Amino acid sequence: NAGVMQNPRHLVRRRGQEARLRCSPMKGHSHVYWYRQLPEEGLKFMVYLQKENIIDESGMPKERFSAEFPKEGPSILRIQQVVRGDSAAYFCASSRVSGGLQETQYFGPGTRLLVL
Amino acid sequence: GNSVTQMEGPVTLSEEAFLTINCTYTATGYPSLFWYVQYPGEGLQLLLKATKADDKGSNKGFEATYRKETTSFHLEKGSVQVSDSAVYFCALDGQNFVFGPGTRLSVLP
Repeated sequence: NAGVMQNPRHLVRRRGQEARLRCSPMKGHSHVYWYRQLPEEGLKFMVYLQKENIIDESGMPKERFSAEFPKEGPSILRIQQVVRGDSAAYFCASSRVSGGLQETQYFGPGTRLLVL
Repeated sequence: GNSVTQMEGPVTLSEEAFLTINCTYTATGYPSLFWYVQYPGEGLQLLLKATKADDKGSNKGFEATYRKETTSFHLEKGSVQVSDSAVYFCALDGQNFVFGPGTRLSVLP
């Protein structure tokens, strides 16, 4: 069973460009979480999605950031018009729900975004 | 490569009991170490961190000391509450960010 996959592992963008980060959850997992780790800081929650639904986006910046988890295909975190402050590691995690309870989140390796 | 090992859960305690969740790591260099907590239905939150040997991180009554000689970062709390029921993740940030598998804690009233 393959783990959570993220790609690309490293992404370099110039200011003003768009960044698209992809996350494929583990097989059988229908819940996806995105986290951001800024340099010298811990991981911060961004958004929690089920297939075709955003459950909790309380950690998402109000502008330029969006996330989706379509019925088919990976979850996408999209950052429009990137700025230098967006440079960070972005982690995805997935879990399943069993008996109404969320099970453990399994994390992907992360995408390291560098904005020049 | 870098790795983090945590004690397996679930851990079940009565309110006001003493808590220890063991965490050991293998890493090259001098990584920063973290404990994250996930409350039911929520995403991960940073609980505490330590960035160099002998540093002690603390928050909300939880403590962990960065022990380089034993490559450990055990989480402790003197008196747990029902509201501490959650999953706790140990993690390190070296060349890559690596999480442990998580330890589920249930505190009974």
